[in-house]
Amino acid sequence: EAQVTQNPRYLITVTGKKLTVTCSQNMNHEYMSWYRQDPGLGLRQIYYSMNVEVTDKGDVPEGYKVSRKEKRNFPLILESPSPNQTSLYFCASSLRSLINEKLFFGSGTQLSVL
Amino acid sequence: GESVGLHLPTLSVQEGDNSIINCAYSNSASDYFIWYKQESGKGPQFIIDIRSNMDKRQGQRVTVLLNKTVKHLSLQIAATQPGDSAVYFCAENFSGNQFYFGTGTSLTVIP
Repeated sequence: EAQVTQNPRYLITVTGKKLTVTCSQNMNHEYMSWYRQDPGLGLRQIYYSMNVEVTDKGDVPEGYKVSRKEKRNFPLILESPSPNQTSLYFCASSLRSLINEKLFFGSGTQLSVL
Repeated sequence: GESVGLHLPTLSVQEGDNSIINCAYSNSASDYFIWYKQESGKGPQFIIDIRSNMDKRQGQRVTVLLNKTVKHLSLQIAATQPGDSAVYFCAENFSGNQFYFGTGTSLTVIP
């Protein structure tokens, strides 16, 4: 089944403790992206990647890192999480880099930073 | 019923009625638009898309209308069912590499 898989589904951590949220897609998509969703604000893009070893900042990149060493994986790294990073995170992918293709989303990761 | 996604975030309709959800997008250069459905606890799901060279596109029970003059997008759901209860939001693409998302409208279907 074609899908975007995120792990973990739920994560509670403390301020300053490094964490990684994994994202994997099995559709051979070139484009991958991370979003955070907060009440009243809609989805905001954190980072995106147009292909392997090509990443770029979205609208809210501060406090996050990403890597794209393989086409299928796009992990989101929080080196020193803070409470304002408590949010619902979604990974998404689409077929081509030049995006006029629909995005496929994972099921989300609910992160709480205490 | 009708709503503007950014200013009236909730919409309630009777089962079997048609629903109209509206979205005002921001950039006149946007050339690709998508409507997503997000059920509680799930990721957004693609419903229908439309490119800027069209003003209407139909899917199964859904129709998207695009009015570029006033930068307005609408989603019409025919014969609304309880399974249609969800948050619906629009997304626009104008920079090639990024989508920009609306805040969404929460649709509740009353049996």
